[in-house]
Amino acid sequence: DVKVTQSSRYLVKRTGEKVFLECVQDMDHENMFWYRQDPGLGLRLIYFSYDVKMKEKGDIPEGYSVSREKKERFSLILESASTNQTSMYLCASSSLRWGGVNTEAFFGQGTRLTVV
Amino acid sequence: AQKITQTQPGMFVQEKEAVTLDCTYDTSDQSYGLFWYKQPSSGEMIFLIYQGSYDEQNATEGRYSLNFQKARKSANLVISASQLGDSAMYFCAMREGRGEFYFGSGTKLNVKP
Repeated sequence: DVKVTQSSRYLVKRTGEKVFLECVQDMDHENMFWYRQDPGLGLRLIYFSYDVKMKEKGDIPEGYSVSREKKERFSLILESASTNQTSMYLCASSSLRWGGVNTEAFFGQGTRLTVV
Repeated sequence: AQKITQTQPGMFVQEKEAVTLDCTYDTSDQSYGLFWYKQPSSGEMIFLIYQGSYDEQNATEGRYSLNFQKARKSANLVISASQLGDSAMYFCAMREGRGEFYFGSGTKLNVKP
């Protein structure tokens, strides 16, 4: 059974803290993604990685950074958490076989982050 | 510009009836993929159906079908014979050549008994 695992289901952090959200996949996927989900806005892409040590900004990268030192692990970092980063964070992974776009993304269970 | 637009924030459908969820997309790529996901209240993202830009036939998966109109850049999801368990958020997504997925804002479907 394919798996994308996020390290925490719920997280409460204080304003100004550095926050790490971890994501691990066991499918040997090249691509990994971080999204935030907010009501009425759907899923917005923060960053994605197409290979180890490679990253690309998505639509809303401000206030976030990422790290991908190993193929199976993709970390999202909030350098200095703010209340407007309170949200549901979803990690996903996918393969990109032969450069095709026909493989779906597999999602983790999500991390609900509250910044107080 | 929005890559994926879902214009129906919420919809109601009677049990056993069919329902269409709208999705339009914007891309200049020739090769792209279109996906639909279901998100029940539990929060998991469930992949439902895929349509490739070069596919001439509309995709079908059980009660789900994708009404693909390339010239209009639309990829509507049709659910036939709605069931109570179909009540959920539904997201349309597009994957372009670089590999990233773009999602719409979602449609919340409520199936009434």
